[in-house]
Amino acid sequence: QVQLQESGPGLVKPSETLSLTCNVSGGSINSGNYYWSWIRQHPGKGLEWLGYIHYSGSTYYNPSLKSRLTVSVDTSKNHFSLKLSSVTAADTAIYYCARDDFYYFDFWGRGILVTVSS
Amino acid sequence: SSELTQDPAVSVALGQTVSIKCQGDSLRSYYANWYQQKPGQAPRLVIYSTNKRPSGIPDRFSGSSSGNTASLTISGAQAEDEADYYCNSRDSTKSHPDWLFGGGTKLTVL
Repeated sequence: QVQLQESGPGLVKPSETLSLTCNVSGGSINSGNYYWSWIRQHPGKGLEWLGYIHYSGSTYYNPSLKSRLTVSVDTSKNHFSLKLSSVTAADTAIYYCARDDFYYFDFWGRGILVTVSS
Repeated sequence: SSELTQDPAVSVALGQTVSIKCQGDSLRSYYANWYQQKPGQAPRLVIYSTNKRPSGIPDRFSGSSSGNTASLTISGAQAEDEADYYCNSRDSTKSHPDWLFGGGTKLTVL
């Protein structure tokens, strides 16, 4: 069974870069034709897809965040990462990583709360 | 871009049947998926590709779709089904289809 686990700082200062990593276990990140996505949820709100990466390195981002978002993959470490630059309080959210079958998200991490505050 | 619309809240008596709906033009082109989210937990896939259940999901959960509307039906709702439910689909209005989520429906089991 594939498992995903987010890690990174829980507090980021405004204007800085939010960096998170998603470690994948129970399967190789470069096996199968899967994409690896980041999704966030503002406190008490709904889900927002941020972007995904394929193990080949191809990426696609939510147009609303494209200018600030970078998703990368390290197949040797079996993990993928998110960097969101120039953060504001509006980026405070629970960030989830998930395996993307292209048709649905079948495995999710437990999520990590990131607060943007000075 | 397109969007998916859900009723904010629905309630059902214990043991009764309830349907949660999701509307959006993208549903005419792409399958709907449904996720269950309980407080403090990550979303869990309960229905994919309109009407398929992942392993481990009780068969009281079912899905259907017609036109621009997808539905998640819980037949014989249990107390543990109380949760937020989100529909999800690709955005058919884009040349490269983004992912869309509905706003979520809070299900209360009375």
